Amino acid sequence: KAGVTQTPRYLIKTRGQQVTLSCSPISGHRSVSWYQQTPGQGLQFLFEYFSETQRNKGNFPGRFSGRQFSNSRSEMNVSTLELGDSALYLCASSLADSHQETQYFGPGTRLLVL
Amino acid sequence: AQKVTQAQTEISVVEKEDVTLDCVYETRDTTYYLFWYKQPPSGELVFLIRRNSFDEQNEISGRYSWNFQKSTSSFNFTITASQVVDSAVYFCALRRGAGAGSYQLTFGKGTKLSVIP
Repeated sequence: KAGVTQTPRYLIKTRGQQVTLSCSPISGHRSVSWYQQTPGQGLQFLFEYFSETQRNKGNFPGRFSGRQFSNSRSEMNVSTLELGDSALYLCASSLADSHQETQYFGPGTRLLVL
Repeated sequence: AQKVTQAQTEISVVEKEDVTLDCVYETRDTTYYLFWYKQPPSGELVFLIRRNSFDEQNEISGRYSWNFQKSTSSFNFTITASQVVDSAVYFCALRRGAGAGSYQLTFGKGTKLSVIP
């Protein structure tokens, strides 16, 4: 079974631009979560979607948004990029609507903002 | 609020040595889940184990073992006879069993393990 896939794997943008990252969950998984990883802040939760609905949102500004499609694929968007948005963005999927479900992570998208 | 502390930022061991990675958590919930993930240099977080708060049995999987103690709010991870391939950053994470924020993982800062040949 294929794992979580994320595209693109690497991205370079300049300040003020916007970016869209994509995540395809493991087949059959309906929950998708996004995390930001930086050397200073570590791994921080961005948001979580289930059946196209955002159920949880982390403490990030409104420039960070996301959505989930009917096939469970998800995208996250960052508008008006800042230097501090440079990070590894990780997507994770889990099987069902249960708190005990394990989240499986993709390889991440490395975003560099210049 | 949920919190996970991994006090060891970096550990270096010589191959074949045993090593224990510490994880201490804070939560007021009675139902919660604990996880360990491994992050090799490639960046992907690899799932290692999940434990629920009602199951304090220790677990062994090959060279890996986990010690969960609710009395000390700890969930430590031991690698026996370490190998170079074990070199990675290891993260401990906590998830609520219900309520607000229960669909997210709260991660520790991670412990970077270097196994020297």
